[in-house]
Amino acid sequence: GAVVSQHPSRVICKSGTSVKIECRSLDFQATTMFWYRQFPKQSLMLMATSNEGSKATYEQGVEKDKFLINHASLTLSTLTVTSAHPEDSSFYICSADIRYQETQYFGPGTRLLVL
Amino acid sequence: AQKVTQAQTEISVVEKEDVTLDCVYETRDTTYYLFWYKQPPSGELVFLIRRNSFDEQNEISGRYSWNFQKSTSSFNFTITASQVVDSAVYFCALINAGGTSYGKLTFGQGTILTVHP
Repeated sequence: GAVVSQHPSRVICKSGTSVKIECRSLDFQATTMFWYRQFPKQSLMLMATSNEGSKATYEQGVEKDKFLINHASLTLSTLTVTSAHPEDSSFYICSADIRYQETQYFGPGTRLLVL
Repeated sequence: AQKVTQAQTEISVVEKEDVTLDCVYETRDTTYYLFWYKQPPSGELVFLIRRNSFDEQNEISGRYSWNFQKSTSSFNFTITASQVVDSAVYFCALINAGGTSYGKLTFGQGTILTVHP
């Protein structure tokens, strides 16, 4: 149980294009989903928290117009990197929280490379 | 504000050795949860354990064991008889049960464990 999928696992795109990453909780309904960014050999940095049906809450320094988050249902959240640039290249990983368990289960991550 | 410190950046051991990964945390809340996650080279974070602040019992799961001591704000992780497959980055993390940071995981910097055959 508690499986989270993420798609795509890897994406290479040209500078200026937008990229959408999906995060799904496969066998449970997620109260909240989280989006993280991880640079090589560094820890995870929380970008935003999203709850189904409401606007995402972004961490300080994260551009909400750059990183659009939509949480359409209790099992799906999407992150769209708009007008991607090489500095957006990173490992993006989502997690889903099970209500009352206070535990986040993570997806396999998406490696984004912007050329 | 809460903080998690993993002082060991990298650890290298030979297979079958025991290894302990240190984790020290800071929080003002009395109710919180502590976690360990494993991140193998593939990148996915694998949940290993969750501990709430009121449960100081140590836990053992196979070759893994955890020592939680509130007096020293530590939550250390020991792997006995390490194996090459244990090579990964290990993260200690904390969630406060209340306040504005409710539900947000605070991660340590991670410890890179390399187990040599």
